[in-house]
Amino acid sequence: QVQLVESGGGVVQPGGSLRLSCAASGFTFSNSGMHWVRQAPGKGLEWVAFIRYDGSYKHYADSVKDRFTVSRDNSKNTLYLQMNSLRAEDTAVYYCAKETWFGGYDAFDIWGQGTMVIVSS
Amino acid sequence: IQLTQSPSFLSASVGDRVTITCRASQGVSSYLAWYQQKPGKAPKLLIYAASTLQSGVPSRFSGSGSETEFTLTISSLQPEDFATYYCQQLNTYPTFGQGTRLEIK
Repeated sequence: QVQLVESGGGVVQPGGSLRLSCAASGFTFSNSGMHWVRQAPGKGLEWVAFIRYDGSYKHYADSVKDRFTVSRDNSKNTLYLQMNSLRAEDTAVYYCAKETWFGGYDAFDIWGQGTMVIVSS
Repeated sequence: IQLTQSPSFLSASVGDRVTITCRASQGVSSYLAWYQQKPGKAPKLLIYAASTLQSGVPSRFSGSGSETEFTLTISSLQPEDFATYYCQQLNTYPTFGQGTRLEIK
């Protein structure tokens, strides 16, 4: 079935790095734009990053720009988020989400289960 | 683009009709989606293009609006509908509303 599975979360010290992965199955990953969205404990959803289906274009939220890098390996059906210079405020559950175009409109129709990142000394 | 949902918290009973409003700081045409999130779970897409029901979503959910004002209506609350609801604009890079927590009265 259509599925996204995140991994790579954990506890990291401030200033440290972590790489998240999102394994896709059940759909043509190489045709899909992908996003990362995060949710701090007890808070709402925050969009983090986008990568075009072929990796040719990326965009980031201001809060993570120059610290996080989104990438993908279409041969492995996997999305990545490299997180550097981590701060306490990056503590959150990180979700990957698939973008689908319905006619002229898009939405995030498939989400992973999330992976928790805790930035703490 | 900022999205402001109201109310932030809503207490209602099974069978009630409820409406959640999402206001955008500037026009987003119909590039608006609604999601439902239950505790410990990922968000689930309910509505896209402001008013189109995602496949498999019960017809008691409906959406309306355009540009800066949107509503999500649940016509007759069921026990499984108690959750947090978020609007999202996709006219520019995505942003979400702060959420509306719907609880059982």
